[in-house]
Amino acid sequence: LAKTTQPISMDSYEGQEVNITCSHNNIATNDYITWYQQFPSQGPRFIIQGYKTKVTNEVASLFIPADRKSSTLSLPRVSLSDTAVYYCLVGDGLTGGGNKLTFGTGTQLKVEL
Amino acid sequence: ETGVTQTPRHLVMGMTNKKSLKCEQHLGHNAMYWYKQSAKKPLELMFVYSLEERVENNSVPSRFSPECPNSSHLFLHLHTLQPEDSALYLCASSQVYPTGSGYTFGSGTRLTVV
Repeated sequence: LAKTTQPISMDSYEGQEVNITCSHNNIATNDYITWYQQFPSQGPRFIIQGYKTKVTNEVASLFIPADRKSSTLSLPRVSLSDTAVYYCLVGDGLTGGGNKLTFGTGTQLKVEL
Repeated sequence: ETGVTQTPRHLVMGMTNKKSLKCEQHLGHNAMYWYKQSAKKPLELMFVYSLEERVENNSVPSRFSPECPNSSHLFLHLHTLQPEDSALYLCASSQVYPTGSGYTFGSGTRLTVV
């Protein structure tokens, strides 16, 4: 089971770019990397998923180095509404078999004016 | 609205009450989950149903009883709960189980046991 390690918390200001790094040293060949966002008293929401190199969508970018032992979620120009907990998950997204996803403690991002 | 609907949003119950949490999804997903999230703690997976069969029960006390009558509905029946069971209970679904992605969560039920 691929274990992930993230910073417990990060602080930023509106308009800045925020990068949250997740370590997953024992990631398996079939594992994808998925990030979720959770606001207080709500369920986590899918943000982005990737396997290698770089993935970008309208919300964020995900950078994955060649060895895939870590990944970085990049949030461009954050606003107060980006204050949330961000979870990094690693698991098998190809066949649906193999690893089960486990949510860690996540990273509490606080954005201030 | 995420596609997974949970009711009620808030619930206060006494330790001798019996209540049920309901979860509904019309995403065509084959797997449904119950998670518990206590304050300042990670999400804890409680139960997993795949194709309407329970495939995981992660050492959850018997005072929590899940039911999956069909692929779109999931219930969590509660009885004789303890104050430490107060938490946010989240339902999720995914297309298949196990999954490496694609969890869709509901907004949760905030449960308070008094």
